[in-house]
Amino acid sequence: GPKVLQIPSHQIIDMGQMVTLNCDPVSNHLYFYWYKQILGQQMEFLVNFYNGKVMEKSKLFKDQFSVERPDGSYFTLKIQPTALEDSAVYFCASSMDWGDQDTQYFGPGTRLLVL
Amino acid sequence: AQSVTQPDARVTVSEGASLQLRCKYSYFGTPYLFWYVQYPRQGLQLLLKYYPGDPVVQGVNGFEAEFSKSNSSFHLRKASVHWSDWAVYFCAVSLMSNYNVLYFGSGTKLTVEP
Repeated sequence: GPKVLQIPSHQIIDMGQMVTLNCDPVSNHLYFYWYKQILGQQMEFLVNFYNGKVMEKSKLFKDQFSVERPDGSYFTLKIQPTALEDSAVYFCASSMDWGDQDTQYFGPGTRLLVL
Repeated sequence: AQSVTQPDARVTVSEGASLQLRCKYSYFGTPYLFWYVQYPRQGLQLLLKYYPGDPVVQGVNGFEAEFSKSNSSFHLRKASVHWSDWAVYFCAVSLMSNYNVLYFGSGTKLTVEP
């Protein structure tokens, strides 16, 4: 089936540094998402994105977070500066369409550890 | 509070035995419901999804789930488990007010014994 790739699979970073998580969505998909899962907790929605714009975001999407997809390349989540509480697995997803008939396809996640 | 609950963090079954993984939700109205599976080092894959209609939904690999409005549940079932079903299973909900955000349960890790 359609595959979403995430690079890197693991990232260790010092608190205060910047990190960029990369997502390679399904090739013909237009809608993109990030979810965050803290160890032992539920996966939670961060943000969705379409046509170069954030469509909606949750309260977890702090001011230090940003997303973009320049020129159809990777869909990225940037955290600057990072904080200890940003340690989590970040899952990217993409979908072809918007709304109740669509399916989100997920990547395997990037494990981020902030020291 | 609105939530998705998977009460069993871990389930172990013998190969060939039947399986039920439980999911309960607490949301107003009728949500859309999903089961995803995550195999080791892979992304979440959709097993099946429920939109208002027939309460029993068939999915891939012999999985099915039944929606119960009275019980606010969407339990996943399989008649005969295979060793390849060893994975983590996530129940998720989206709301009619916003289809594009999924709310996930905490997952159930399924172990299959020979």
